[in-house]
Amino acid sequence: DTGVSQNPRHKITKRGQNVTFRCDPISEHNRLYWYRQTLGQGPEFLTYFQNEAQLEKSRLLSDRFSAERPKGSFSTLEIQRTEQGDSAMYLCASSSGWTGIFEQYFGPGTRLTVT
Amino acid sequence: GNSVTQMEGPVTLSEEAFLTINCTYTATGYPSLFWYVQYPGEGLQLLLKATKADDKGSNKGFEATYRKETTSFHLEKGSVQVSDSAVYFCALMNYGGSQGNLIFGKGTKLSVKP
Repeated sequence: DTGVSQNPRHKITKRGQNVTFRCDPISEHNRLYWYRQTLGQGPEFLTYFQNEAQLEKSRLLSDRFSAERPKGSFSTLEIQRTEQGDSAMYLCASSSGWTGIFEQYFGPGTRLTVT
Repeated sequence: GNSVTQMEGPVTLSEEAFLTINCTYTATGYPSLFWYVQYPGEGLQLLLKATKADDKGSNKGFEATYRKETTSFHLEKGSVQVSDSAVYFCALMNYGGSQGNLIFGKGTKLSVKP
C-alpha cells in the first residue's frame, strides 16, 4: 500500500492554457474523489468515481473541467482555458466501497497557479 | 443542506496545554463525522471518526464525541505537543444523497509553542 499519489505536485500555467493532473489511488480502491482547496478554506468536493463510472459532479465543476477514470484505476482531471480563479490545491482521495464507512485517504495534492 | 462550522483560528497554545476545537454541523439524516489533520507541507490525514450518536473517536491522544442533541463533534486533547501544530478540519459524510463525499469546515490552525 503506497498511498494515493498525485502528479505533478506543482503546476504554473498562463491563463487560457489547458492543464491535466493525474491521480493514482490506493490499489483496489474502487472509489475516487476529486476536491479543490483554496487558501484558508476546507476542501470542496468536485466529482466522484466508482470504478470507471463518474457518478456525481458538483456545481463547482464548470464545463471547462473534465475528469476521467478510464480503466477504473488512475484518474485525470483536465482544466481547459484556465482562469486565475482556478488557482488552488487539487486533492484526490480514494476509498474502498467494500468497508462500511468509505474512509477516504488523500493524496498530497497538486498546487495550480494560474498567472 | 449539509454544512460544517468550526471555530476560527489561529489557536496558539503552550506545550502541555488543554486543547478544544469546536465543531458543529447541519445535516439531514445521520451523518458520519471526521477530524482530518494537515501538517505543514503534507496531505490530509484522517485523525479520528465517529459513525453514530454518542460514539467517541480517538487517536494519538485526541478525542471527539458525536453529540446528536447539540449537533457537535468537538476535538479535544489533554496535553498538546509542539508536533501537534497543524491545521485541523472537521468534516461530515452524509450517505443520504451524495454517495459519500466529505463536507469540510474551513479548518483551524493550531500552533503549539515550547
